[in-house]
Amino acid sequence: DAGVIQSPRHEVTEMGQEVTLRCKPISGHDYLFWYRQTMMRGLELLIYFNNNVPIDDSGMPEDRFSAKMPNASFSTLKIQPSEPRDSAVYFCASSSTADTQYFGPGTRLTVL
Amino acid sequence: EDQVTQSPEALRLQEGESSSLNCSYTVSGLRGLFWYRQDPGKGPEFLFTLYSAGEEKEKERLKATLTKKESFLHITAPKPEDSATYLCAVQANSGYALNFGKGTSLLVTP
Repeated sequence: DAGVIQSPRHEVTEMGQEVTLRCKPISGHDYLFWYRQTMMRGLELLIYFNNNVPIDDSGMPEDRFSAKMPNASFSTLKIQPSEPRDSAVYFCASSSTADTQYFGPGTRLTVL
Repeated sequence: EDQVTQSPEALRLQEGESSSLNCSYTVSGLRGLFWYRQDPGKGPEFLFTLYSAGEEKEKERLKATLTKKESFLHITAPKPEDSATYLCAVQANSGYALNFGKGTSLLVTP
């Protein structure tokens, strides 16, 4: 079975540009989570969805970040405009029961 | 506020040298405590979930235990392929977010 799929795996962009990260959860999973990992802060939850509806976005750092889940098979995390401090690895995870979460391979974002 | 502290930050073991990793936590109502393994350049890989004090789970050379304040990940006779970062996370009754510790970086040398 395919696990969580994320694209792109690596993204290098310049400050001020729009960045869109994509995620395909495991089929049948009703929960989808976006996390960010940095050396300083570790893994932090940004937002999560249940049945395509955003439930908790308290971890979204500011208005520059937005996330959508138009259907059960696809979610996006958008940063506009991007800043160097947004450089991190962004993970998507999905779950059928919301306790055990299965992570994707991540997108390494570098903002110059 | 929920807090998760892992120790040590880094651990170097010789092959076959058993040891334990610690995860201390404070949470307002524990739904579950999770252990993940993360290899460089990859996403966290699920290992165990523990739900109540006294619970234990085992998988190959790994055994996870839980008390009301901490969890231990015991590694028995480790092999070089056990080298990775081990992450602990708690989930509170109030939601489904995982609150992660900073991890323990384990290196097992032949």
